[in-house]
Amino acid sequence: EDQVTQSPEALRLQEGESSSLNCSYTVSGLRGLFWYRQDPGKGPEFLFTLYSAGEEKEKERLKATLTKKESFLHITAPKPEDSATYLCAVQAIRNTDKLIFGTGTRLQVFP
Amino acid sequence: EPEVTQTPSHQVTQMGQEVILRCVPISNHLYFYWYRQILGQKVEFLVSFYNNEISEKSEIFDDQFSVERPDGSNFTLKIRSTKLEDSAMYFCASSGTGPQHFGDGTRLSIL
Repeated sequence: EDQVTQSPEALRLQEGESSSLNCSYTVSGLRGLFWYRQDPGKGPEFLFTLYSAGEEKEKERLKATLTKKESFLHITAPKPEDSATYLCAVQAIRNTDKLIFGTGTRLQVFP
Repeated sequence: EPEVTQTPSHQVTQMGQEVILRCVPISNHLYFYWYRQILGQKVEFLVSFYNNEISEKSEIFDDQFSVERPDGSNFTLKIRSTKLEDSAMYFCASSGTGPQHFGDGTRLSIL
């Protein structure tokens, strides 16, 4: 069964304190791994797509990496506005478009 | 930047009543989706829709659910006879050749 597990569930950081969020996945052939940001009361906002092991994507203070079993979202020198829930989702290579989501990591960055 | 819009933002309905959730996908997208998120749980896939027909549906999407694209811009989810357990955030998403983009959801509360 295709599955996504994210850790930690919650993370509290001081402004400027870098850290990483983990997404472990089990899927019968990976077509793509997606990172989304979700603010309270809002829908998931697309951040990155990763397709193959070794791939990296960057956007401002965020960097996403992918291995054959997991992905990391690295946050460098976070700011309070980076506070949100970060969702990881996978799409299987078989004939399907559905995204399978993890439960997310709730990040709080304090000034 | 184009976005997916959903109405209403909050819908309160008596158990057993029919409800229609509305979505306007991004205009040049061809693939449409509904997901739901029960409070404190993962975002779950319900259904995907392409070329005026359902392309995939989950076990959750039983006979009480239906989707329709009544015109060139709207995409709707109908729940025929609502149950208490249908209370959730319902997200519409759309995609072209790239990632799925989500609306901000409709919070459905069943009394």
